[in-house]
Amino acid sequence: AQTVTQSQPEMSVQEAETVTLSCTYDTSESDYYLFWYKQPPSRQMILVIRQEAYKQQNATENRFSVNFQKAAKSFSLKISDSQLGDAAMYFCAYRSSGGSNYKLTFGKGTLLTVNP
Amino acid sequence: DADVTQTPRNRITKTGKRIMLECSQTKGHDRMYWYRQDPGLGLRLIYYSFDVKDINKGEISDGYSVSRQAQAKFSLSLESAIPNQTALYFCATSEPYSNQPQHFGDGTRLSIL
Repeated sequence: AQTVTQSQPEMSVQEAETVTLSCTYDTSESDYYLFWYKQPPSRQMILVIRQEAYKQQNATENRFSVNFQKAAKSFSLKISDSQLGDAAMYFCAYRSSGGSNYKLTFGKGTLLTVNP
Repeated sequence: DADVTQTPRNRITKTGKRIMLECSQTKGHDRMYWYRQDPGLGLRLIYYSFDVKDINKGEISDGYSVSRQAQAKFSLSLESAIPNQTALYFCATSEPYSNQPQHFGDGTRLSIL
């Protein structure tokens, strides 16, 4: 079974600075998808960014980018020019492309605080 | 209007009560899911449905049941609520393609006293 590990329960960053959230996963599959979701205090689950394992190029969405290291099974999220609105819980998630592709496996989350 | 709507938003109830959480969607997706979120544990899958006639247990289905009344509606029931079912519950939908994300409702915060 796949597992997702977020080793940083909490992180903090100064406004306008850059922060990186870590995520590692364990799988025997070669094809899969990875996602970062943001959960602000309003508790919505908002998709931040996604990465296809077959793509070597790291995904980027405005101030958000990932560092995807397939061999190391690592999928970190970098937030540049942090804003107060980035304060949230961030979840890393894994989805198989195979028979169990219905399922998202989530990490336990990293709580990000942005200091003004 | 939200694409995935959950009702109620918050609910407080007593041990032993039967509770139904409802989810409706306007995204036209066949796949629907119920997750439970507990502090420090992330989200865990309770049940999922690929269509109206295809319902499956997730990793933590004990104590829960579901009903898929229509493509757009998927409800979660707690037949006899217990305090350790206190949690934040999410409904989600998706297309049947792995590269597509799941779309979440705003959650139901359930407290069982």
